[in-house]
Amino acid sequence: DSGVTQTPKHLITATGQRVTLRCSPRSGDLSVYWYQQSLDQGLQFLIQYYNGEERAKGNILERFSAQQFPDLHSELNLSSLELGDSALYFCASSPRDFLYNEQFFGPGTRLTVL
Amino acid sequence: GEDVEQSLFLSVREGDSSVINCTYTDSSSTYLYWYKQEPGAGLQLLTYIFSNMDMKQDQRLTVLLNKKDKHLSLRIADTQTGDSAIYFCAEGETGKLIFGQGTTLQVKP
Repeated sequence: DSGVTQTPKHLITATGQRVTLRCSPRSGDLSVYWYQQSLDQGLQFLIQYYNGEERAKGNILERFSAQQFPDLHSELNLSSLELGDSALYFCASSPRDFLYNEQFFGPGTRLTVL
Repeated sequence: GEDVEQSLFLSVREGDSSVINCTYTDSSSTYLYWYKQEPGAGLQLLTYIFSNMDMKQDQRLTVLLNKKDKHLSLRIADTQTGDSAIYFCAEGETGKLIFGQGTTLQVKP
């Protein structure tokens, strides 16, 4: 158990809908990262927040957005869902934004778009 | 751009050594990482190596880094069936990690 929690574990929804994925980082960790894992794209970095501020952005679609709240939990919002958004979404956390960047991964949320 | 490449599959017999290879493109990466993903689970950091090192040993794991060729390898000694998983190498500085496609290690009894 990494100490990172993600809810829900599974999510099934229809195209065009909007969903919110939630992540609670390990106690004391200030950085939260979101990744998407799919069969065709592999594991892709989406976005990072550090202490409430956006710190780095990867291949995140405009239909997707994220935020980190004052209590450091984070939410990833996915809207106008398409079939291709079906994937495993991981959240990771790390103590700080530093060169050595050990990230602790949550168990993931499996999103299925029908 | 940044890219990390790995072979997709490796099959070994229990007790043998496994060697998983990775090449990367970003020569500025200070740290390189090996993560393990078991079925239905998130990624777990196995080990890392600092870019000014050539080798790092951690129990059954040995990481070799050839910075000139941008080649990283993970050797697992005395491979066990419990080592069956997907292994990802990753590079990155602060912020995002760039992962390879993952190497599925199959350990046959």
